[in-house]
Amino acid sequence: QQQVKQSPQSLIVQKGGISIINCAYENTAFDYFPWYQQFPGKGPALLIAIRPDVSEKKEGRFTISFNKSAKQFSLHIMDSQPGDSATYFCAASPQAVNKFYFGSGTKLNVKP
Amino acid sequence: NAGVTQTPKFRVLKTGQSMTLLCAQDMNHEYMYWYRQDPGMGLRLIHYSVGEGTTAKGEVPDGYNVSRLKKQNFLLGLESAAPSQTSVYFCASSTGQGAYEQYFGPGTRLTVT
Repeated sequence: QQQVKQSPQSLIVQKGGISIINCAYENTAFDYFPWYQQFPGKGPALLIAIRPDVSEKKEGRFTISFNKSAKQFSLHIMDSQPGDSATYFCAASPQAVNKFYFGSGTKLNVKP
Repeated sequence: NAGVTQTPKFRVLKTGQSMTLLCAQDMNHEYMYWYRQDPGMGLRLIHYSVGEGTTAKGEVPDGYNVSRLKKQNFLLGLESAAPSQTSVYFCASSTGQGAYEQYFGPGTRLTVT
């Protein structure tokens, strides 16, 4: 049973558009929610992360929105660029355990 | 700094053969992890270590063993490879408890025929 459910599986967005990827979880012990970006042939790299004490975190064009009551969080990529084309993974970790559960991934294709 | 390195990058095994994947990090990180990545499954934790000489099971530990004899190295062993272990394996490390960012290696693509 997957602890973190991610959707959509794939996403096509025009250059300049907004990309939105959603994740949901059930375990209320999770207290750290990162997003990782992975390019073909490379390992994942941390993009942005949030803790449940805030509802939104923004870093440049990337924003995480967090809804604690709904147990959902999402990644928004504003002004999407072809260079953003990659696979994105959400993840969650329980308190003070550093043990991560990953979503199934979303393959983003930003068309020029 | 090389960060996290993995050896080998590619490997083809026959069913029943054994092999060891090596992960090395030069960041003095306490925690190290082994994941496998399969299409549509994301990354699944196989085993992890919270310090030299310690290991613990993750989500999918069956068929794998690990050892952390030195702080900078984390070895993943397959004693008797099966086709179901065909996957891309990633190693990661992090500073330790309370510091959550994981640094990933470039991966090892393993095919078991």
